[in-house]
Amino acid sequence: DTEVTQTPKHLVMGMTNKKSLKCEQHMGHRAMYWYKQKAKKPPELMFVYSYEKLSINESVPSRFSPECPNSSLLNLHLHALQPEDSALYLCASSRVWGLGSPLHFGNGTRLTVT
Amino acid sequence: KQEVTQIPAALSVPEGENLVLNCSFTDSAIYNLQWFRQDPGKGLTSLLLIQSSQREQTSGRLNASLDKSSGRSTLYIAASQPGDSATYLCAVNEGANSKLTFGKGITLSVRP
Repeated sequence: DTEVTQTPKHLVMGMTNKKSLKCEQHMGHRAMYWYKQKAKKPPELMFVYSYEKLSINESVPSRFSPECPNSSLLNLHLHALQPEDSALYLCASSRVWGLGSPLHFGNGTRLTVT
Repeated sequence: KQEVTQIPAALSVPEGENLVLNCSFTDSAIYNLQWFRQDPGKGLTSLLLIQSSQREQTSGRLNASLDKSSGRSTLYIAASQPGDSATYLCAVNEGANSKLTFGKGITLSVRP
């Protein structure tokens, strides 16, 4: 069982919908990450939060809006997505940001935009 | 810019074979290297983590080695089983921001 929990497992949304992806960890980690993975491609970093503050935004379009309400939770708010945004969205956490701290991944949310 | 290469992209072997998966990286200034397993449509499961000061790590039938100076890592799987069928990704962590650079993965199929 993964120690990083993501909900929902699957999500289908229209281009005008607003939805949110959720991620939770109780390992006391202070860094959390969002990755996007297209089929047969490696994961690509989207955002990094360190101590609940946004530390890295990899030039992600504003239709993706991250939020870190506390040290255990990470959300990704979605609005006006495009079909090409369909992908597996992975959340990860690490003890700290930097210093080679290893990442622990969740099982992902499979997003389909219609 | 760090580049991570995994060749071949796919591998099919009969059950019981010992096999080696290769990973190469261009910049040897890394903190650590992780091997992940990914089943179709699922997240990443960390298999082994090798720190830059280490030469190898073992877990059960898996053994990962690291030669930082030559920019290479191998994942050795002993006595492969059909349940080992998955995609195996290696990723290097350059430490400064814990940003992982992934290879494209090797999709392994173990035939019964």
